Amino acid sequence: SQQGEEDPQALSIQEGENATMNCSYKTSINNLQWYRQNSGRGLVHLILIRSNEREKHSGRLRVTLDTSKKSSSLLITASRAADTASYFCATDRGNTGKLIFGQGTTLQVKP
Amino acid sequence: DVKVTQSSRYLVKRTGEKVFLECVQDMDHENMFWYRQDPGLGLRLIYFSYDVKMKEKGDIPEGYSVSREKKERFSLILESASTNQTSMYLCASSRDREGQPQHFGDGTRLSIL
Repeated sequence: SQQGEEDPQALSIQEGENATMNCSYKTSINNLQWYRQNSGRGLVHLILIRSNEREKHSGRLRVTLDTSKKSSSLLITASRAADTASYFCATDRGNTGKLIFGQGTTLQVKP
Repeated sequence: DVKVTQSSRYLVKRTGEKVFLECVQDMDHENMFWYRQDPGLGLRLIYFSYDVKMKEKGDIPEGYSVSREKKERFSLILESASTNQTSMYLCASSRDREGQPQHFGDGTRLSIL
């Protein structure tokens, strides 16, 4: 069964706007990761947040984690056309190094 | 930067063929993974390996096998290719086990005719 599920499935915004994607998961985690995938390419790691962290920033990215609600959000501020991609959350399966990926959110940023 | 290289971006094979997908990483990572990605199903783990000559089944290992003779190389083998194995195949590697990001190759889009 899917551990991470993203919402919305698709998002279309104008350049300069903020984009928010949400991820829900079912079981306890050690960490949650966000990845980006450009069309036809592999996934690129964006940010990792540990279960004892509530918020993390990296450039224009802001990730929050609420373990009580088993949810995370990824905020991309001041979006650019180059941010057009699919975004996936992934949760670990205990201390194994294995990840469970959600289905992803497809983000389109219109210039 | 970590580089994970998959031998082919596109591959077309016929049903019944034995197919080899190769993956090489250059950062001395212990862990390596093979996924397939299909529309509506997301990424699914086929096999993974924690060390040389070690392998463990993922969520969908049927019809696949793997080989890891050297630390940097992890091969996925389709023993007898079938049309339902047409997919995007992604290789990844990571350091240690817990709390490390995975680094992905660019994928192999495999078509089985």
